[in-house]
Order: sequence, then C-alpha cells, then structure tokens
Amino acid sequence: ETGVTQTPRHLVMGMTNKKSLKCEQHLGHNAMYWYKQSAKKPLELMFVYSLEERVENNSVPSRFSPECPNSSHLFLHLHTLQPEDSALYLCASSQDLQLAKNIQYFGAGTRLSVL
Amino acid sequence: DAKTTQPTSMDCAEGRAANLPCNHSTISGNEYVYWYRQIHSQGPQYIIHGLKNNETNEMASLIITEDRKSSTLILPHATLRDTAVYYCIVRVVGDSGNTPLVFGKGTRLSVIA
Repeated sequence: ETGVTQTPRHLVMGMTNKKSLKCEQHLGHNAMYWYKQSAKKPLELMFVYSLEERVENNSVPSRFSPECPNSSHLFLHLHTLQPEDSALYLCASSQDLQLAKNIQYFGAGTRLSVL
Repeated sequence: DAKTTQPTSMDCAEGRAANLPCNHSTISGNEYVYWYRQIHSQGPQYIIHGLKNNETNEMASLIITEDRKSSTLILPHATLRDTAVYYCIVRVVGDSGNTPLVFGKGTRLSVIA
C-alpha cells in the first residue's frame, strides 16, 4: 500500500465513450502526476500538478483532459480515444516539487483497453 | 532520453546479493541518481537516491563511483519478491525546480530459487 489509490484498476471502453480515471492520495502531498506506460515502451510523463495548478503538459493530445480539484485528488478525463491509447495509466504524488521532497509514490495503475 | 545505460536483464540466486549496474557517463554536477523498481502489475516503487556519497537504507545500498559516471544498486539478500524491473534515473533536483523522472527500459531482475 503506497498511499496512492487509483480506480478503476481495469477499464475497457469504445472509441466514442467518455470515461474518467481517478487518483486519490492519502499522504498529504502537494504534487501529483499522470504517466502512461504502453506495452514495451518506457513510462511517459503526461501531466504534473502542483498545489492544484498544472505545471507541465508533455504535448498530450486533447482527448486526455486532466483535472485536479484539490491536492488529494487527480482525474484524467478520456474522450474519443484511439486503440493506440490502450496502456497502463499511472498516477503518482510527491510532497512537493523541490529537493528532498520529490520522492514519487505511485499507484497501482489503471489498465485501459480501447476497442 | 533516459541518459542512463543498464543491462536488459540479470538473474540472481535467492539469498545472494544482487548487484545492478548503471552507466551515466554524461551526468552533470547537479544531477542525482535515483533508483525505482516496478514489480509486475504494480506501479514503480522508490528504492534509493544519492548525489555522490554511497547511500544505504532498509531496502538497498547505492554505490556511486568517485567520478560519478556509474553506480551500482545492491540488494544484499535477494528474495523472490525482488523480481522486478529496476530503473536507474538521473535528474536535477533543486530549489529552482526539478527535471522529470525519465524512465528508460531498466534491468529486468529475475531472482531464482
């Protein structure tokens, strides 16, 4: 148990569906992250939030829309996805973005399949 | 780019020390060495990090060469539960901001009974 909980653990959706991934951290951290892990590819950073403000967006297509309503919750809203978006989506949190407080704790991920 | 080079895979006998090497020959003075691991079907897990001194915690030891161009993660008594992909990452961490964790392909460690 890392203190970072992701739901659902598995999700199957069609290309016309709209769904959301949820991440919740119980660690009192101020920074949260979304990563994508495709088969046989390294983890890719998608978004970074610090104190509920987005500080990084790594050229992610607009069909992925993050939302951070408070420092404990992070969502990834999905719409009109493509089959190549099938991947493991990982959420992480860290105390903040600065030195010695940036150990990232990861959730177990959501395994997404787009049909 | 991950900026590190690691062997693709390694085997280790259960109960023996696992020594995982990492080359980071272009590391700069303000970059730290971080190690994470990812057990199958789980998210990555932080192990240890260091700048230039050797570090030890309850999980592992990190040995960094004097020129900082390479390092070795040591799991002193490997168990079957240590089977995972181990990632060596170099990144800037500082008051002016941190560079992201950039995960490469890592080393797949198989601990064998």
